[in-house]
Parts: sequence; C-alpha cells; structure tokens
Amino acid sequence: GAGVSQTPSNKVTEKGKYVELRCDPISGHTALYWYRQSLGQGPEFLIYFQGTGAADDSGLPNDRFFAVRPEGSVSTLKIQRTERGDSAVYLCASSLSPGQETQYFGPGTRLLVL
Amino acid sequence: AQTVTQSQPEMSVQEAETVTLSCTYDTSENNYYLFWYKQPPSRQMILVIRQEAYKQQNATENRFSVNFQKAAKSFSLKISDSQLGDTAMYFCAFMNKGGAQKLVFGQGTRLTINP
Repeated sequence: GAGVSQTPSNKVTEKGKYVELRCDPISGHTALYWYRQSLGQGPEFLIYFQGTGAADDSGLPNDRFFAVRPEGSVSTLKIQRTERGDSAVYLCASSLSPGQETQYFGPGTRLLVL
Repeated sequence: AQTVTQSQPEMSVQEAETVTLSCTYDTSENNYYLFWYKQPPSRQMILVIRQEAYKQQNATENRFSVNFQKAAKSFSLKISDSQLGDTAMYFCAFMNKGGAQKLVFGQGTRLTINP
C-alpha cells in the first residue's frame, strides 16, 4: 500500500515568510508525528497527534511553529515569520495507533530559508 | 530525559565484510523499544530492526542483528555480508513504551560500503 507522503519535497523561502508543509499518513494510521532534522544531526521530535488532537507538542521550538490535523488524517505544519535557523528537513511519520511502536517515515520536506 | 549516543560518526568497510555500529542510551525507564533506522540519500528513514527491552533474545532480520545489553544500556547493530546498497546513514533510536510516543535519535553513523 501507499506509504507516508510529504509535499512539497523541497521549499525555498525568504526570511520572514510563512510556509506550510503537508503530510499524508498511511491510511488507517491514527498516530502522526513531526520531526526536524538539521544538517548532520539525527531527527528531533516536534509534535505528536493522536487523531485530531495534539497529544504532545513539547518539541515545538517556539510559537512561530504550529501544526494541525483537522480530520485526523492529513496534517499541516505551519511556520510563521521564518528564520534562517529554521532551515532543515522536516520529517513526518505515522503509526497504526499509540503503543504500536513502529513509526513509518515519509521522505521529508527540505526547507531552505534565505 | 532519555539520550542516545552513537560514538562513530563514520565507518567504511569492504563489500561482503561484517560491520558493527555502536549505540548507547541513557534512561531510567524499564519498558521501552530500541530501533535502528537507515537513511539513504533519498532521505527516507527505513526501519532496519527493532528490539523490545523486556525480550532477552537479540532481534535478527536477515543480514542484520543486534547485540542488546540492557544492563550496560548498549544496542549495537551488526551487518553481515555487507552490500553496496547498505551505504547510508544509520540512526539508533529509543522510544519509551508508555507516555509520549516520540522517538529519541542518536547523531547517526555514516556507513560506506566499498566495492
């Protein structure tokens, strides 16, 4: 079946602009995760959704970052007033349910803020 | 808070050789999962193998096996008969079984298989 998909694959924006990154999880997966991977580093947790609600948003770095999942499927990560330090690969993952330990990752969105 | 450490930034071996990647972690929890993920240049994180902490038997998936030492908090990955397609970044990751479902990753090891 189809895996996790993310759009766009690459995004170039200017400092101060607003961006939206989209994630389509595997069909039927109720848990969805966002991670950020800076160059040369391992991914770092941002936020976790169970259904429509954010169960854990402790990894969001500041209030410029926000994510939604209004219908419990597709999720959008929103970044306001982008800064050069936001440049990274943003990874999305999904799992069948909480406690189903395997997370399946999408190919990521590479964000470059000029 | 949990931490995961991979002490080998880069490794390189010849095709068909066996290679072992190291990982240590720190946690006060007793029930958790450990994972090895592979990330090729395509950026897609691919699950290689997973281990449940309560299971004493080391996990094995074809050419990939782990050496899980719970008391030492060590979780190394052994790749046997390495292939050119094994060239990638490898990340060790920890997840607590209860509470937050987030993965905590190490810094990664860049593995190159030479022909």
